[in-house]
Amino acid sequence: GAVVSQHPSWVICKSGTSVKIECRSLDFQATTMFWYRQFPKQSLMLMATSNEGSKATYEQGVEKDKFLINHASLTLSTLTVTSAHPEDSSFYICSASDRVDEQFFGPGTRLTVL
Amino acid sequence: SQQGEEDPQALSIQEGENATMNCSYKTSINNLQWYRQNSGRGLVHLILIRSNEREKHSGRLRVTLDTSKKSSSLLITASRAADTASYFCATHNQAGTALIFGKGTTLSVSS
Repeated sequence: GAVVSQHPSWVICKSGTSVKIECRSLDFQATTMFWYRQFPKQSLMLMATSNEGSKATYEQGVEKDKFLINHASLTLSTLTVTSAHPEDSSFYICSASDRVDEQFFGPGTRLTVL
Repeated sequence: SQQGEEDPQALSIQEGENATMNCSYKTSINNLQWYRQNSGRGLVHLILIRSNEREKHSGRLRVTLDTSKKSSSLLITASRAADTASYFCATHNQAGTALIFGKGTTLSVSS
């Protein structure tokens, strides 16, 4: 099956700093990538949808200036959490798709903001 | 926003017993998918059932879909301790692109 990787798998940072998370499709070209956030004991919440070469579409309530998404190539999307605060601590999961009805999920990145 | 709502929220059973989880959704769908997530880990795709299917099997998993009631169920037969995880149903958003997840059912199987 298709493989999606995320890097880093976990990160701890100080409040006020920015953190970049990478999502890569390893063996296919992903025309669309998705970013989700999951708080402890809760479900995945869609943050944004990004298509290669165009601006991401953010879900209601997600600040686009705080969560910068770049989908520069068909195999790489990045999520940058800017000026991170403790309330941004969460599990961030990306997924990638090359066609409708099929999404492949990365293993997730655990962010802890001190 | 969340499309699906699972119940129960938590389920504790003994090894060998069957586990049934239910999911309800709000809008029309082309398909519904079930995923498993071990604590703190990524998602594992379990099964996809299309809107024109009523039942689907995969190993010890049995999924049903009732589009008239906008509901689906996941049955795990002869459960094992390794089945301990959270289970989510997911359907596509209105744009038909991203998956929207239900709140999930946390299953604990004790040996």
